[in-house]
Amino acid sequence: QVQLVQSGDEVKKPGASLKVSCKASGYNFINYGITWVRQAPGQGLEWMGWVSGYNGSRNYAQNFQGRVTMTTDTSTSTAYMELRSLKSDDTAIYYCARDVCGGDCYLVYWGQGTLVTVSS
Amino acid sequence: SYELTQPPSVSVSPGQTARITCSGDALPKKYAYWYQQKSGQAPVLVIYDDSKRPSGIPERFSGSTSGTMATLTIRGAQVEDEADYYCYSTDSSNTHRVFGGGTKLTVL
Repeated sequence: QVQLVQSGDEVKKPGASLKVSCKASGYNFINYGITWVRQAPGQGLEWMGWVSGYNGSRNYAQNFQGRVTMTTDTSTSTAYMELRSLKSDDTAIYYCARDVCGGDCYLVYWGQGTLVTVSS
Repeated sequence: SYELTQPPSVSVSPGQTARITCSGDALPKKYAYWYQQKSGQAPVLVIYDDSKRPSGIPERFSGSTSGTMATLTIRGAQVEDEADYYCYSTDSSNTHRVFGGGTKLTVL
């Protein structure tokens, strides 16, 4: 069965960088993209971007352009999301999710979420 | 940037029909997807490709679209359907995806 297992919760100081991992299993990693979504406390879901499992191509949401990098390691079936210059409002749960493409592409399989707290 | 607009809240009594709307300029050409999120849990897909229901999702959940609006309908809403619901779709250039702001459904 498809599983996405994310790295553990983190506490970061403002200005620091964050790197969350998402290890995939139960499917051929290169056949699907990975999307990153975050959710600030009490807020809605926010699409951060997408990275191809096949060739590493990516699209980022405008809000994160220049501050986020999404990568993959096909040898370990792992996707990574790095966010730099952290601010307090980056405090959120960060999810990875795997694409399924039918009419368009959408998200069916989700990681368990990684809670990131940014505080001095 | 592209936006999907949902009402912040919808409230119904048990057994009534709940309708949650999602409006976006690209919806006539792009599919809408709906997610249910209960407190402390990851989102769960309840409708895909505008109106299809994944296996395991109760038949009372249905989806439809008309022009720039997508609608999630829950017929005979149950207390266990209380959750936040999010629509999800793609912009017209197919490069950026977006969630609606979310709708809190109260069933009481």
